[in-house]
Amino acid sequence: QTVVTQEPSFSVSPGGTVTLTCGLSSGSVSTSYYPSWYQQTPGQAPRTLIYSTNTRSSGVPDRFSGSILGNKAALTITGAQADDESDYYCVLYMGSGSWVFGGGTKLTVL
Amino acid sequence: QVQLVESGGGVVQPGGSLRLSCAASGFTFSSYGMHWVRQAPGKGLEWVAFIRYDGSNKYYADSVKGRFTISRDNSKNTLYLQMNSLRAEDTAVYYCAKAVRFLDQIDYWGQGTLVTVSS
Repeated sequence: QTVVTQEPSFSVSPGGTVTLTCGLSSGSVSTSYYPSWYQQTPGQAPRTLIYSTNTRSSGVPDRFSGSILGNKAALTITGAQADDESDYYCVLYMGSGSWVFGGGTKLTVL
Repeated sequence: QVQLVESGGGVVQPGGSLRLSCAASGFTFSSYGMHWVRQAPGKGLEWVAFIRYDGSNKYYADSVKGRFTISRDNSKNTLYLQMNSLRAEDTAVYYCAKAVRFLDQIDYWGQGTLVTVSS
């Protein structure tokens, strides 16, 4: 069973840049996995940030960008703001109509 | 604007059944695939099921295969999730989500409905 891996937690200073990653327990992530990224604050529904590796969803500021870095998908946040403090989830398309979410990264802005 | 409103959650005993609904508006429902995603209390997101725009193909997570059925009524702009043989581990907030056309990835989410499986 392939596991999608994310850093459990990360911190960034206000105004700083942070890169969160999304990997596989076995193998490399490529664009063929169509990685997507979601932001979720406590008690709220998730919000889509990025899909298909690097396409920003409607209304998402360009401070958020997606890419492939090495063997992982990556979400980069530039100019971090206090309200970026959230949980971030990636999901990968595993083929044959199956998607697997990562465990999420809790981002702290301090 | 896209709106997705889930309903049908509640408390059900182990082994029981429940049907969730998701009323869609603000887009041409019959042109888009739809997902169900769940989140157990204090846990991460788990993909549950996906249905193509016309209902021609349906896909399920292994954890719910054979117990849950996704369906849609394009004349009513409504997505459904029939959940049978419910277990305690099915306790979660269930979100319906709209897929990006031709790409099947999620772009919009509903607010979710809570399902609690408990005796």
